[in-house]
Amino acid sequence: EDQVTQSPEALRLQEGESSSLNCSYTVSGLRGLFWYRQDPGKGPEFLFTLYSAGEEKEKERLKATLTKKESFLHITAPKPEDSATYLCAVQAHGGSQGNLIFGKGTKLSVKP
Amino acid sequence: DTEVTQTPKHLVMGMTNKKSLKCEQHMGHRAMYWYKQKAKKPPELMFVYSYEKLSINESVPSRFSPECPNSSLLNLHLHALQPEDSALYLCASSRQGADTQYFGPGTRLTVL
Repeated sequence: EDQVTQSPEALRLQEGESSSLNCSYTVSGLRGLFWYRQDPGKGPEFLFTLYSAGEEKEKERLKATLTKKESFLHITAPKPEDSATYLCAVQAHGGSQGNLIFGKGTKLSVKP
Repeated sequence: DTEVTQTPKHLVMGMTNKKSLKCEQHMGHRAMYWYKQKAKKPPELMFVYSYEKLSINESVPSRFSPECPNSSLLNLHLHALQPEDSALYLCASSRQGADTQYFGPGTRLTVL
């Protein structure tokens, strides 16, 4: 069964304290892995798409990496405005068209 | 521009009411989606439209009725909802079914 597990469930950081969020996945064949940021009561905001092991993408303080079994979202020197829930989702080859399998998310809190 | 718009932002309805949610995108995307998201849970896929045809219905009760009038618009008609249907309803779109999905801001629905 295709599955996505995110850890930790919640992460509290001090401003400037770098860390990583983990997304482990089990799929029959990975078509794509997606990272989203979601603020309370808002829709998920797209961050990155990764397609193959070894791929990396960066945007401001965020960097996403992908291996054959997991993805990491590295946050460098976070600021309070980075506080949000970060969702990881995968799309499998042969799966229902457009069907994203989401993890439960990591809630990040960054204190000043 | 990767904007998906949704109206209304908030909706309160009784169990006997009929209402509609609206979603619009002008990115030329040919796949559009409806998701339901309960508090502290990831989004759950409800419907997928591909080239204005319904391609996926994830066993959603018939009190939810989707409609895709054209390639830019997606509606969700609501009738005889239950209080447990209260949630954040998200619309998303992608170029094709397997591409990155971009989400709208959501409609917060409360059923009394």
